[in-house]
Amino acid sequence: DQQVKQNSPSLSVQEGRISILNCDYTNSMFDYFLWYKKYPAEGPTFLISISSIKDKNEDGRFTVFLNKSAKHLSLHIVPSQPGDSAVYFCAASLRNDYKLSFGAGTTVTVRA
Amino acid sequence: EPEVTQTPSHQVTQMGQEVILRCVPISNHLYFYWYRQILGQKVEFLVSFYNNEISEKSEIFDDQFSVERPDGSNFTLKIRSTKLEDSAMYFCASSLAGGFRGTGELFFGEGSRLTVL
Repeated sequence: DQQVKQNSPSLSVQEGRISILNCDYTNSMFDYFLWYKKYPAEGPTFLISISSIKDKNEDGRFTVFLNKSAKHLSLHIVPSQPGDSAVYFCAASLRNDYKLSFGAGTTVTVRA
Repeated sequence: EPEVTQTPSHQVTQMGQEVILRCVPISNHLYFYWYRQILGQKVEFLVSFYNNEISEKSEIFDDQFSVERPDGSNFTLKIRSTKLEDSAMYFCASSLAGGFRGTGELFFGEGSRLTVL
C-alpha cells in the first residue's frame, strides 16, 4: 500500500524552532487526514486531523495544512519541545471507511 | 484517562502454532480494530469489527486470522497457524464512532509484539 508517503524518515530540529513534517498521498478519494505520534513501546496517539474541505487546522502548537491539488499535507510544530521527540505518522481515510492508510513515519528529534 | 489495554506485551511462538492476542477496548467504544506493524514497515490495517461482526478486512486478513468478542469487554485476534512473516507488533484500537468520524478518534493500545520462530 503506497497510497500515503512520508519521504523523510527523520528530522532533527533545535528546541524552540519549527518542525515541519511532510506527507504526500496518491488517492484523490481520501477525505480525512490525520497525524499520529508514537513513542517507543507505546501505541500511536492521535494528534490532529483535517477534513478535505479545509486547508488548515490548528490545535495549540500543532497546525496541519492540506493542499488537495498537490495531494500534500504537512504538520507544523511551533515551538518544538524535547517531549515532541517521537515518530510521527501521517494517515488518511476514505469517507465512511473504517480503515486508515498510514505513511512510513518520520522520526523527529528535538535537540536541547 | 481510559485506555486500550493489550496482552501479552510480547509473545514468542513456534511456526505453525496458534496464537491469541487479547485486547480490552475502551468500555463505551463500539468499533474495534486490529493493525500491525512489521519491523521497519508501515502500520497496516487488518480488520475492523462492529456489532459482533467484521465490517472490513484487508488482504492480509486471510483465513488464518479471526477475531472475536467473546464477552462484553475482550476483543481477540487469533492466528491459527503462525508463519514467520506474521512476526510483527499488533495494535488493537477502538473508537466510539466508525467511518469518517471514527478514524479520527482511534485509540490504540500499546501493542503486542509477536515473534514467530
